[in-house]
Amino acid sequence: QKEVEQDPGPLSVPEGAIVSLNCTYSNSAFQYFMWYRQYSRKGPELLMYTYSSGNKEDGRFTAQVDKSSKYISLFIRDSQPSDSATYLCAMSANGGKLIFGQGTELSVKP
Amino acid sequence: DADVTQTPRNRITKTGKRIMLECSQTKGHDRMYWYRQDPGLGLRLIYYSFDVKDINKGEISDGYSVSRQAQAKFSLSLESAIPNQTALYFCATSDLTLAGVQETQYFGPGTRLLVL
Repeated sequence: QKEVEQDPGPLSVPEGAIVSLNCTYSNSAFQYFMWYRQYSRKGPELLMYTYSSGNKEDGRFTAQVDKSSKYISLFIRDSQPSDSATYLCAMSANGGKLIFGQGTELSVKP
Repeated sequence: DADVTQTPRNRITKTGKRIMLECSQTKGHDRMYWYRQDPGLGLRLIYYSFDVKDINKGEISDGYSVSRQAQAKFSLSLESAIPNQTALYFCATSDLTLAGVQETQYFGPGTRLLVL
């Protein structure tokens, strides 16, 4: 079993939809949770960064962490075609290496 | 100018050839990483280095070697390339905050490698 599991998709939604992306994990030592966005033929770039449990909001993006369920989510409101990318979750224990999910490919259709 | 650069951006080589991928960064970070990305498998860590004198194997180091020539430079070598090393390779950097918490990683643009 992988330490971090993420549905690879692909996920296709119409413009304006609410998108929910999820990851589950098995290592209870993980404390730092991140979402990276990767456009085609580019390197991943940090989108959201959350420590421990709770929610964090940044514009149309909301990251949620539920440590009791070992489950993290990224919500995108009012999705736009420019949100079409692969989204990777990543997590680490204190100061440790990042462990990435497989990535979910998202396509937002105009 | 990009903070993390990788050369070459694309490379086609033949089975058995030695190949080197190079990474340079201007962020002043101590920590550097090499990943490979394959469809459906996400990013897998090959090697990482926490400073110039520290080199560590990652999840999938077999068939690869690295060299940390300076704080800013970290090279990945395939001594004898094989077709299943065809992948997208990323270099990344990060640094610890004063609290000892790992900051985010910053990725280069990637190198597409095809081994025939």
